[in-house]
Amino acid sequence: AQSVTQLDSHVSVSEGTPVLLRCNYSSSYSPSLFWYVQHPNKGLQLLLKYTSAATLVKGINGFEAEFKKSETSFHLTKPSAHMSDAAEYFCVVSDGQNFVFGPGTRLSVLP
Amino acid sequence: DGGITQSPKYLFRKEGQNVTLSCEQNLNHDAMYWYRQDPGQGLRLIYYSQIVNDFQKGDIAEGYSVSREKKESFPLTVTSAQKNPTAFYLCASSIGLQTSTDTQYFGPGTRLTVL
Repeated sequence: AQSVTQLDSHVSVSEGTPVLLRCNYSSSYSPSLFWYVQHPNKGLQLLLKYTSAATLVKGINGFEAEFKKSETSFHLTKPSAHMSDAAEYFCVVSDGQNFVFGPGTRLSVLP
Repeated sequence: DGGITQSPKYLFRKEGQNVTLSCEQNLNHDAMYWYRQDPGQGLRLIYYSQIVNDFQKGDIAEGYSVSREKKESFPLTVTSAQKNPTAFYLCASSIGLQTSTDTQYFGPGTRLTVL
């Protein structure tokens, strides 16, 4: 069985400072991992995905994530937060047949 | 413009009525999914379909029904048997369930409020 833990339900940063959203997973297989972003009352948009190629994955809007097998982590980072980054972020693990979503982390960006 | 459309964006219904949410995709994807999202929770899978005329129950299928008569369309009916139907409903599609690197693409969602 797979599972995803997002360690923080809410993260607050100041504009221009770094962002770190944490994700840990468990999977019996070599998983695919995804980060999605959801703005209020919108669908989910794919930020980036890891599929057993390079462990450092670059996504859209300046986000990136690093797959660390030894730590079973896939944390999302961005060097400098922008006001438009304020949203809900979901980490997802997949074994190719099942997609399991984390509970989400709400990111607030303060001016 | 390729993508997934859901309609309507907002829907209000009286308790005891069935209601059908539309989901259409022009991505030529085989697999389609319905999720429910409640405040402060992640997404929960209601139903999914790998091919036309076939669908499987997800984790919370009770009180819901689906059909997959065409590849592009996967409508969800919320029946009166669903005890707590007010939620945000998201439809998604992917190339196919058997691909380990597959990615799900989401529609904009329908917010259903049952009065």
